[in-house]
Amino acid sequence: RKEVEQDPGPFNVPEGATVAFNCTYSNSASQSFFWYRQDCRKEPKLLMSVYSSGNEDGRFTAQLNRASQYISLLIRDSKLSDSATYLCVVNFNYGGATNKLIFGTGTLLAVQP
Amino acid sequence: GAGVSQTPSNKVTEKGKYVELRCDPISGHTALYWYRQSLGQGPEFLIYFQGTGAADDSGLPNDRFFAVRPEGSVSTLKIQRTERGDSAVYLCASSLAGGTGETQYFGPGTRLLVL
Repeated sequence: RKEVEQDPGPFNVPEGATVAFNCTYSNSASQSFFWYRQDCRKEPKLLMSVYSSGNEDGRFTAQLNRASQYISLLIRDSKLSDSATYLCVVNFNYGGATNKLIFGTGTLLAVQP
Repeated sequence: GAGVSQTPSNKVTEKGKYVELRCDPISGHTALYWYRQSLGQGPEFLIYFQGTGAADDSGLPNDRFFAVRPEGSVSTLKIQRTERGDSAVYLCASSLAGGTGETQYFGPGTRLLVL
């Protein structure tokens, strides 16, 4: 079983649609949670951190459920420029000995005009 | 300010050859990470440096892979006796101090193709 699992997609949605991505992680000791965005042939870039209380940044809302080990990302009013791969990421840091990110395979979003 | 830079951007080599990939982190960042991304996959952790020392090298796939960061800034990932399966994008990232939840900033990557 992969440590971080997400549906690879692709998700093909029309402009203006609302789309939701889900992700599960296996290690209950995971400490930090993120969504990264990766454009084709580019490096991953942080989209937003994810907190148990839920957090919102404009059209993007992220949610963490620690009990279910489940992370979500909601995108409202999709734009063509939202087309990218969205990577679900968790962070382990055991007493400072490591601070590695564990990535899911990514979910491909294609917003259609 | 300048972000993470990596050279070369592309590297084509033959099976069995030795390659070096370079990473220049953001100035002042003490934490540096190497990841490898194969086609259709998310990045996979290779090694983490805190300053000059490798704090965690558990992701290095075998002893053909080695990385150094002698002065606590620039890092070099070295691959000996390359194999076709080593073909991937090698990503470097840095963060300020390696604290939990810190943002890791990625470089553009080096695309390695082993023929």
